[in-house]
Amino acid sequence: DAGVIQSPRHEVTEMGQEVTLRCKPISGHDYLFWYRQTMMRGLELLIYFNNNVPIDDSGMPEDRFSAKMPNASFSTLKIQPSEPRDSAVYFCASSKGTPTAEQFFGPGTRLTVL
Amino acid sequence: DAKTTQPNSMESNEEEPVHLPCNHSTISGTDYIHWYRQLPSQGPEYVIHGLTSNVNNRMASLAIAEDRKSSTLILHRATLRDAAVYYCILRSGGSNYKLTFGKGTLLTVNP
Repeated sequence: DAGVIQSPRHEVTEMGQEVTLRCKPISGHDYLFWYRQTMMRGLELLIYFNNNVPIDDSGMPEDRFSAKMPNASFSTLKIQPSEPRDSAVYFCASSKGTPTAEQFFGPGTRLTVL
Repeated sequence: DAKTTQPNSMESNEEEPVHLPCNHSTISGTDYIHWYRQLPSQGPEYVIHGLTSNVNNRMASLAIAEDRKSSTLILHRATLRDAAVYYCILRSGGSNYKLTFGKGTLLTVNP
């Protein structure tokens, strides 16, 4: 299996622009997670889905952030409008089944907002 | 989720065992102990998890104190590839899928 796939790997954009991050989970996994990592705040869970349905979005920082999962093999995290404080590495992870199941992380998208 | 305390950094030599401690004095009876690690410029990867009993897998061992207020991740023979940030995470039981990462321990492995 190719593992969790994220695109793009790097994104540089200007403040006010819309940014879309993409994730393809491991085939057969029914849970998908979006995390954000910064030096100041560490690794934070933003939102997670089960069978394409958002279960907990309490970590989404504000209305500028939105996440969708239109099908079992694709998810997006959108920031509109982007701000410099959104600069971070965004990770997508997927898992199968129980809460103790291993979460498999993608390589991350490094976002820089100028 | 209950809080964990880990040393900021630790150092070891290649091919020697490494014991990474984690304190979790406020752990509840249904909290699972998870360990993940993050190699430089990569996403985190699962290492091991446990509830009450000690656990072993191909990557490491997890020793859990009898009162569950602390645990130790044991790497039996450190390699250079084990240099990473190691996160000890408590996850409340039931249907909670959320992992709350702390600052972790930066492990340096000397050749």
